[in-house]
Amino acid sequence: EAQVTQNPRYLITVTGKKLTVTCSQNMNHEYMSWYRQDPGLGLRQIYYSMNVEVTDKGDVPEGYKVSRKEKRNFPLILESPSPNQTSLYFCASSRMSLQPQHFGDGTRLSIL
Amino acid sequence: EDQVTQSPEALRLQEGESSSLNCSYTVSGLRGLFWYRQDPGKGPEFLFTLYSAGEEKEKERLKATLTKKESFLHITAPKPEDSATYLCAVQSYRSYQLTFGKGTKLSVIP
Repeated sequence: EAQVTQNPRYLITVTGKKLTVTCSQNMNHEYMSWYRQDPGLGLRQIYYSMNVEVTDKGDVPEGYKVSRKEKRNFPLILESPSPNQTSLYFCASSRMSLQPQHFGDGTRLSIL
Repeated sequence: EDQVTQSPEALRLQEGESSSLNCSYTVSGLRGLFWYRQDPGKGPEFLFTLYSAGEEKEKERLKATLTKKESFLHITAPKPEDSATYLCAVQSYRSYQLTFGKGTKLSVIP
């Protein structure tokens, strides 16, 4: 089954404790991206990747890091999380940048 | 900077009452405009891609149209299962970034 898998689905943690949200797709897609979704602000792109070792900033990259060492994986790293990064995060992938994106089920992060 | 504005923010319709959702955009050269549907607690689900002014696409009760400044999502004779938040997104020739609007929350009452 074609899917985008995010882990964990839910996480409550504390300020400053480094965390990684994993994202994996099984469709051999080239384009992958991370979004955060906040009430009243909608879905905003954090980072995207056109292919292995090619990443670029979206609208809200501050406080986040990404890497794309393998085609199927695109982890989101919060080196020193802060409460303003409490949000619902989505990973998505598509065959190419202008193709429909397949979204994961989301990761709800709460940073205290 | 690319901008996407969706209206209305929320829309309540009686079952069978047709209507339209609006997506206005400002981009430096439109590469493509996307419509997605999002159900509560789920990731967005793809509906349509439109590439150039005058293009139209249909799927069941939904029809998407595109002009040089806006896109409409027409919903004909909606059913309660059409209740969801509808998102519009654009990609410009400036970058491969996707910019989403804030969405329109549609409620269809039986």
